[in-house]
Amino acid sequence: AQSVAQPEDQVNVAEGNPLTVKCTYSVSGNPYLFWYVQYPNRGLQFLLKYITGDNLVKGSYGFEAEFNKSQTSFHLKKPSALVSDSALYFCAVRPVGTGGGNKLTFGTGTQLKVEL
Amino acid sequence: DARVTQTPRHKVTEMGQEVTMRCQPILGHNTVFWYRQTMMQGLELLAYFRNRAPLDDSGMPKDRFSAEMPDATLATLKIQPSEPRDSAVYFCASGLVPGGNQPQHFGDGTRLSIL
Repeated sequence: AQSVAQPEDQVNVAEGNPLTVKCTYSVSGNPYLFWYVQYPNRGLQFLLKYITGDNLVKGSYGFEAEFNKSQTSFHLKKPSALVSDSALYFCAVRPVGTGGGNKLTFGTGTQLKVEL
Repeated sequence: DARVTQTPRHKVTEMGQEVTMRCQPILGHNTVFWYRQTMMQGLELLAYFRNRAPLDDSGMPKDRFSAEMPDATLATLKIQPSEPRDSAVYFCASGLVPGGNQPQHFGDGTRLSIL
């Protein structure tokens, strides 16, 4: 069975500084990896995904994520944080090739707080 | 933009009452997922459907919860009888298979409070 670990419950960063939200995964075979963001009183919103190919994936709102197969990690990054980036971030994984639908396994979420 | 629509957005009711939550998936999507989110347990998968057929509802308390898809445009999640511990935000998401690399799209949830 697959799993996702987000080791930090909360990440604090100053506006304008780079941010990193960490994610490691465990899956049999190759993974599809996703990042979602949740703003207060809203559903999860898709940010970006890794399928295959380039290990650096670019997504919405200036976010990017780096896939590292040897470290089984998929960390979310942004070069310059904004106060409006403050939200709850979820990493998710799905094994490539499994049938039955696109069921995802989610991490527990990391609260990002960007301060002035 | 196409969106997943959930109704109602908020529901407050007394213990023992029946609660029905509705979800309209994105047109053309053939998988539907129900999640529950609480502070203590985080995001839990309750059930999911493919082409309106239930594939997995192992995350759902069977004695009081039921999930159905009467047609391709409507998914329902019912709780009967409701209990205070059911208080949570319930999310519906839809997706498209085949295409396991496609993301799920979430609605904005139903915030349920059982008094």
